[in-house]
Amino acid sequence: QKEVEQNSGPLSVPEGAIASLNCTYSDRGSQSFFWYRQYSGKSPELIMFIYSNGDKEDGRFTAQLNKASQYVSLLIRDSQPSDSATYLCAVIIQGAQKLVFGQGTRLTINP
Amino acid sequence: GAGVSQSPRYKVAKRGQDVALRCDPISGHVSLFWYQQALGQGPEFLTYFQNEAQLDKSGLPSDRFFAERPEGSVSTLKIQRTQQEDSAVYLCASRRGGTGTSVRNEQFFGPGTRLTVL
Repeated sequence: QKEVEQNSGPLSVPEGAIASLNCTYSDRGSQSFFWYRQYSGKSPELIMFIYSNGDKEDGRFTAQLNKASQYVSLLIRDSQPSDSATYLCAVIIQGAQKLVFGQGTRLTINP
Repeated sequence: GAGVSQSPRYKVAKRGQDVALRCDPISGHVSLFWYQQALGQGPEFLTYFQNEAQLDKSGLPSDRFFAERPEGSVSTLKIQRTQQEDSAVYLCASRRGGTGTSVRNEQFFGPGTRLTVL
């Protein structure tokens, strides 16, 4: 079992709809959770981080964390074609410094 | 302010050749990470430096991989006797703080070096 798992997609969502991206992790010692966006051929760019159970909102983005279920999600409201990218979920395990990434979910927003 | 820079951006090597990949972190950033990203996969951790000290090299896949950061700034990832399975994008990231600061601090990624081994 991989430490961080995501559905690789592709996930196709119509413009203006809500895109929902999901991630599960195996290590209960995971303490910080990140969502990165990566455009094709570009480097990962941080869009959200969360470390407490519940929701965290930033503009059109909402991260949700449920530590009991070892589940973290990202919602993108009012999806735009410019949101089309690969979304990487990453965690940091307590005591470590490195990011552990999932394989990424490729999201396509259809105009 | 400049971000993380990496060079070269693209490298083609013949199998068995040695390569050196350079990373210039954001000025003043204490922490530096190297990750390897295969096509269609998420980045995988290779090694971590705090200043010039290599504190974690658990992700280096073999003894052909070697990284250094001698003056606590620029870092070089060296791959000896390259193999086809080494073909990937090598990402460098830097972070302002070291181990004593919150790991929630953002890691800023460079553009990567795409290595192709023929």
